[in-house]
Amino acid sequence: ETGVTQTPRHLVMGMTNKKSLKCEQHLGHNAMYWYKQSAKKPLELMFVYSLEERVENNSVPSRFSPECPNSSHLFLHLHTLQPEDSALYLCASSQDFRSSNQPQHFGDGTRLSIL
Amino acid sequence: LAKTTQPISMDSYEGQEVNITCSHNNIATNDYITWYQQFPSQGPRFIIQGYKTKVTNEVASLFIPADRKSSTLSLPRVSLSDTAVYYCLVGQGGKLIFGQGTELSVKP
Repeated sequence: ETGVTQTPRHLVMGMTNKKSLKCEQHLGHNAMYWYKQSAKKPLELMFVYSLEERVENNSVPSRFSPECPNSSHLFLHLHTLQPEDSALYLCASSQDFRSSNQPQHFGDGTRLSIL
Repeated sequence: LAKTTQPISMDSYEGQEVNITCSHNNIATNDYITWYQQFPSQGPRFIIQGYKTKVTNEVASLFIPADRKSSTLSLPRVSLSDTAVYYCLVGQGGKLIFGQGTELSVKP
């Protein structure tokens, strides 16, 4: 039990589908993150939310749309994805986005495959 | 943002102590040094974090010299289950950049 739960664990979708990834944290943290990890590549930070406000958007294509309705839940809405978007999508949370000594806690990710 | 450099891979045998060194020449005054472990198809797991000198917890030790330009993660008596990728990160708050990590392979 990591304290950060992601669903679904696996997702296969066509390029024209619309789907959403869900992340829930049970740690009382105020910051939440989305990362993308492609095969044999480092994790890439996509979005950061602090107290439900987006504070970081690292040039992510608009076909990825994040939503943070409250500090415990984070969604990543997907539409019109490309084959190169196939990857492991990881959610993380931390106590405070600005704190230097608060490590991030990760979920186990959603393995996304685009047909 | 500080960049880190660590070996791409390391091999070890069960029962040995493993030391993984990370270089971070551009570390800033307020940066902490954090190490994560990642198994295939899982998210990274926090191992240890430090600012200076030595930090020890139930799974590892972290050695940081006075100039803080490098750090060494020490895993005592590794087992097969310690085979994973280990990431060294420096940064402030949520602004963390993951590098390639060190792929540790523990053999029987």
